[in-house]
Amino acid sequence: DGGITQSPKYLFRKEGQNVTLSCEQNLNHDAMYWYRQDPGQGLRLIYYSQIVNDFQKGDIAEGYSVSREKKESFPLTVTSAQKNPTAFYLCASTDSGKDTDTQYFGPGTRLTVL
Amino acid sequence: RKEVEQDPGPFNVPEGATVAFNCTYSNSASQSFFWYRQDCRKEPKLLMSVYSSGNEDGRFTAQLNRASQYISLLIRDSKLSDSATYLCVVNAEYGNKLVFGAGTILRVKS
Repeated sequence: DGGITQSPKYLFRKEGQNVTLSCEQNLNHDAMYWYRQDPGQGLRLIYYSQIVNDFQKGDIAEGYSVSREKKESFPLTVTSAQKNPTAFYLCASTDSGKDTDTQYFGPGTRLTVL
Repeated sequence: RKEVEQDPGPFNVPEGATVAFNCTYSNSASQSFFWYRQDCRKEPKLLMSVYSSGNEDGRFTAQLNRASQYISLLIRDSKLSDSATYLCVVNAEYGNKLVFGAGTILRVKS
């Protein structure tokens, strides 16, 4: 089955620790995105990548880093510089064909800082 | 002003009711519009794209009003399973970034 997978589903971190969230897709999509969602708020864009070995900052990139070494993978690192990292993190990808705007989401990772 | 604004609700309706949500957007250059559905603690899933001429998918009808910069979603004959948060989504730049509204909560009750 084609799709987007994220792991882990739940993640707990101590303050001051870096943590990496995994996102993998086998849809052959070129573009991938990372969002965070906080209660009562819309999704906010952290980073996105249109192509392998290239990525751009979104609206709230501070305290986060990404890499795009393979088309299928777009991991997100939440660093200790992120002041309020507890949130629901969603990875998405876009079909490079006709519907270039339609984004498909992974199941998300819920990060809690203890 | 937020780029995409929605009434957060909740909209509490009985089964079988018709309910409508509106959403306004600020970027007049936006070209693509969507409604996504998000169940509690789950990822958003595409419900339908919104086309200039309006479009219908079963019990769901979406419409776009470019002059007033709003889109709407109409749900007829509401089912219990329609209970979810409905996200209005607009593209920020052509072919690239999307901007998500905070969502409208719908609760359908028997």
